[in-house]
Amino acid sequence: DTGVSQNPRHKITKRGQNVTFRCDPISEHNRLYWYRQTLGQGPEFLTYFQNEAQLEKSRLLSDRFSAERPKGSFSTLEIQRTEQGDSAMYLCASSLVGLASNFGPGTRLLVL
Amino acid sequence: SQQGEEDPQALSIQEGENATMNCSYKTSINNLQWYRQNSGRGLVHLILIRSNEREKHSGRLRVTLDTSKKSSSLLITASRAADTASYFCAPANAGGTSYGKLTFGQGTILTVHP
Repeated sequence: DTGVSQNPRHKITKRGQNVTFRCDPISEHNRLYWYRQTLGQGPEFLTYFQNEAQLEKSRLLSDRFSAERPKGSFSTLEIQRTEQGDSAMYLCASSLVGLASNFGPGTRLLVL
Repeated sequence: SQQGEEDPQALSIQEGENATMNCSYKTSINNLQWYRQNSGRGLVHLILIRSNEREKHSGRLRVTLDTSKKSSSLLITASRAADTASYFCAPANAGGTSYGKLTFGQGTILTVHP
């Protein structure tokens, strides 16, 4: 399968713990995006990369969130000291610049 | 904000009827994309229309774009129960470091009754 994959698909953690999610984009795609989605809402932009460079990070994103894309391939999104408000679906998407984005299945995070 | 704003927020129709969803945005775009999301699932790309295009078709989908009004519409003809989903428009930024970046609105929830 050459689509976007995300791992894990589900994560349950306790408040205060750190979590890390991984996204494997379509191999030739140079753009990689992270979004967060809560029930009844559209995807909320978090950050995106072009190759290994992080081009923009949402102002809504606290310093507990960090993302990397080493070597311009897979990406990781880490949330430190999780809070209950972090519970959401975390979506990754990849694309070539100016073309349609392919979304992964998402990682559903529940913070207890 | 560049994000698309969809209207209506919810739409309920009978199978076989047409469904029209509208999208408005605020600044210059490179293209505008429409996505579908089934309950609890990932987003699926439906169609991309470039800023220099006015209309585009794909199967039962028809998308229009009016850059002077900063608006787009998605028409689904002869709807089916399987079309039940949330539909999002996503304008892609035209320039600067945000070139091509997609932002989403809250979407239109479409329910097609058999």
